[in-house]
Amino acid sequence: DIVMTQSPDSLAVSLGERATINCKSSQSVLNSSNNKNSLAWYQQKPGQPPKLLVYWASTRESGVPDRFSGSGSGTDFTLTITSLQAEDVAVYYCQQCYNTPMCTFGQGTKLELK
Amino acid sequence: EVQLVESGGGLVQPGGSLRLSCAASGFTFSNYWMSWVRQAPGKGLEWVANINQVGSEKYYVDSVKGRLTISRDNAKNSLYLQMNSLRVEDTAVYYCARLVLGIGYAFDIWGQGTMVTVSS
Repeated sequence: DIVMTQSPDSLAVSLGERATINCKSSQSVLNSSNNKNSLAWYQQKPGQPPKLLVYWASTRESGVPDRFSGSGSGTDFTLTITSLQAEDVAVYYCQQCYNTPMCTFGQGTKLELK
Repeated sequence: EVQLVESGGGLVQPGGSLRLSCAASGFTFSNYWMSWVRQAPGKGLEWVANINQVGSEKYYVDSVKGRLTISRDNAKNSLYLQMNSLRVEDTAVYYCARLVLGIGYAFDIWGQGTMVTVSS
């Protein structure tokens, strides 16, 4: 099974500053058929279901602000939030369902205001 | 409006059973893989099970194999999770989610969740 490990577990960032969250998979999630990475990022606020932010490692979901961006390939991925807003305080998860549709999530990164 | 609405959660004793339902609307349900994802209180997300469009392929996390069964009824636009031999560690909010293969196997639509509490 592919294990997803996020770092850090928690992060405090000032308003307007950059937040960077990392995700490492135990195996490559790069699809040789289309050269795309099967890696997604989600945002979850208290009492709410998760919300898809990014898929294919770097494609923003419709309606997601452009201050959110995903990058990386193979086994190492990053979610970057430029110019942090108060409404971005949440827990962020990476996720993969590579190869067969048996999926795993990272343990989550809690983003707070400094 | 694209929507998923879960129901069927509640309090059950260890060893008991429960059946969760998820009603889909606003999209062609039979065109999509569907999934259950759970979240224990104060914990992270855990994928539970996936089912393909016609119900012929099912995948489970190891911890629920043989106890939880995912199924669907496309005529009723509904997804189900039959939960047997429940354990205390199955206590969680259970989310129904749409799994889209065309965006790299990502969950693009989620329900609000239904709480399952396993306790004596």
